[in-house]
Amino acid sequence: DAGVIQSPRHEVTEMGQEVTLRCKPISGHNSLFWYRQTMMRGLELLIYFNNNVPIDDSGMPEDRFSAKMPNASFSTLKIQPSEPRDSAVYFCASALDRGPNGYTFGSGTRLTVV
Amino acid sequence: DQQVKQNSPSLSVQEGRISILNCDYTNSMFDYFLWYKKYPAEGPTFLISISSIKDKNEDGRFTVFLNKSAKHLSLHIVPSQPGDSAVYFCAASYPNTGNQFYFGTGTSLTVIP
Repeated sequence: DAGVIQSPRHEVTEMGQEVTLRCKPISGHNSLFWYRQTMMRGLELLIYFNNNVPIDDSGMPEDRFSAKMPNASFSTLKIQPSEPRDSAVYFCASALDRGPNGYTFGSGTRLTVV
Repeated sequence: DQQVKQNSPSLSVQEGRISILNCDYTNSMFDYFLWYKKYPAEGPTFLISISSIKDKNEDGRFTVFLNKSAKHLSLHIVPSQPGDSAVYFCAASYPNTGNQFYFGTGTSLTVIP
């Protein structure tokens, strides 16, 4: 398996533009997570899907953020409109039940909003 | 509110010496703990875990200790190697939350050759 695949690796956009981050989880995993890494808060959970259904989106900072998981092999995180304070590294992770090794993370998308 | 805390943002250790990374948690319901290691420009990768029924788990140079009464866990790396230089995150979960883990803010370890 190629692991969790995120795209793009880097994204630079202007303030006010829409940004879409993409994630392909590991085949067979039933949970998918979107995290944001910041210096102040470390790895901050944004939203969590189980069997394609959003379970906990309390970490989504504002209505500008939305996430979808239309099927078991794809998820998107969208920011519209983007703001400079959204600049961070966004990670997607997947897992199978309460596996002993926790999550498998993707390599992340570094978002810069100028 | 941060339920898992890593109060040391950074740590420097000489090669060959012991590295001790600490993690505190507030939720007594946590029953499973993980450490992740993260290199720059990569996602975190699983390093070692411990269940609350144990107080120690060892894997090669890495040992995790759990003190439930103090709500504290630590990761010991002996001997430390330059390749261990990375950011280390601890994470915790409790039953009936599906797969959700709560992460600390990370400790950046630098092993000096």
